[in-house]
Amino acid sequence: ETGVTQTPRHLVMGMTNKKSLKCEQHLGHNAMYWYKQSAKKPLELMFVYNFKEQTENNSVPSRFSPECPNSSHLFLHLHTLQPEDSALYLCASSQRGLEDEQFFGPGTRLTVL
Amino acid sequence: AQTVTQSQPEMSVQEAETVTLSCTYDTSENNYYLFWYKQPPSRQMILVIRQEAYKQQNATENRFSVNFQKAAKSFSLKISDSQLGDTAMYFCAFMKHGSNAGNMLTFGGGTRLMVKP
Repeated sequence: ETGVTQTPRHLVMGMTNKKSLKCEQHLGHNAMYWYKQSAKKPLELMFVYNFKEQTENNSVPSRFSPECPNSSHLFLHLHTLQPEDSALYLCASSQRGLEDEQFFGPGTRLTVL
Repeated sequence: AQTVTQSQPEMSVQEAETVTLSCTYDTSENNYYLFWYKQPPSRQMILVIRQEAYKQQNATENRFSVNFQKAAKSFSLKISDSQLGDTAMYFCAFMKHGSNAGNMLTFGGGTRLMVKP
């Protein structure tokens, strides 16, 4: 596989469930990102990881918990979500320090019932 | 903080015609980068074109070109000879130069472009 992959592509969960989103990049990048894309709102940056270290948490509620075990994998752990958290969650990666483009995954469409 | 504004939520163009998508931004930075990203209905976002603020020459990539007006803080995208495959959401994005926290992008709200046969 090449590029940035995300699983699952679609997820429906109840407010009491716990689930995780997975992102994997095969580009040798060292920075990874989570974005939230809601209808009629600009993409919102949630978290940034550089060399597995979280360098940005954009005031995201604690019901979203990121994990970056290595520079190729990024997870977003979800628990006790709200219906307003329903959105497309996009993962991206880039080569930090080069102001280079970010490569995006296809996203996970999350629906919270 | 930076803001990016795309004033055209939706646009349409006939195949083979030219269309221009608008983008304005607000920043106090002098060195930065600007991007146009395309998100087709399949949802995978891809980079269309980028512009370094210190370069006066407008960037071009085949049928895609930009009109970068730094003083006016304007960064429009021109698509020439529009093709059906150009149908997508287009996002304008801003990146501050030299961010220690990573390459953080600020996105505009997007413009939905429909190319009609």
